[in-house]
Amino acid sequence: SQTIHQWPATLVQPVGSPLSLECTVEGTSNPNLYWYRQAAGRGLQLLFYSVGIGQISSEVPQNLSASRPQDRQFILSSKKLLLSDSGFYLCAWRPRGLGEKLFFGSGTQLSVL
Amino acid sequence: GIQVEQSPPDLILQEGANSTLRCNFSDSVNNLQWFHQNPWGQLINLFYIPSGTKQNGRLSATTVATERYSLLYISSSQTTDSGVYFCAPREETGFQKLVFGTGTRLLVSP
Repeated sequence: SQTIHQWPATLVQPVGSPLSLECTVEGTSNPNLYWYRQAAGRGLQLLFYSVGIGQISSEVPQNLSASRPQDRQFILSSKKLLLSDSGFYLCAWRPRGLGEKLFFGSGTQLSVL
Repeated sequence: GIQVEQSPPDLILQEGANSTLRCNFSDSVNNLQWFHQNPWGQLINLFYIPSGTKQNGRLSATTVATERYSLLYISSSQTTDSGVYFCAPREETGFQKLVFGTGTRLLVSP
């Protein structure tokens, strides 16, 4: 069966420090991968999505970037965190061409102080 | 882009009660999903329901695509049903992303 791993669960970082959040999917090949952010008490905003290695799309300008160095690995990064980057970050995946359901990881609560 | 409205924003139920959550969306869709976010933040996919009705245990969902709304029914609610329920229709243009509503926060008390 397929599983998605996301870490760390919580992270406290000072303003101006770098960020790296990692997500891996097991039990499937060539998935579509997504990074979402959830501000407190609000819905989810799509940050990045990827349909393959090295293929990253984003429609929201921001202080963050994403990379997909391997088929089932998706990384969210920042060179210098801002206070406004605080939030709950969720990785998600969808099977390519076989289904429409989206499945989420357990999330990372990021606090930038 | 597509607009999504969920109602009610907050709901408090006694254990055993039934409830209906509503999701209205502004554009035609071919994909709509319902999610439950538990108090620890984990999002669980409940239904993929672009049209028609589906049932899964005490939960069922109905989407009337022509009238641009979807309903989630919870019967015989339990405390473990507490959390936030999100409706997410998919935009059919551009990135074809799921657009999440602001959710219905449900609290089921014993």
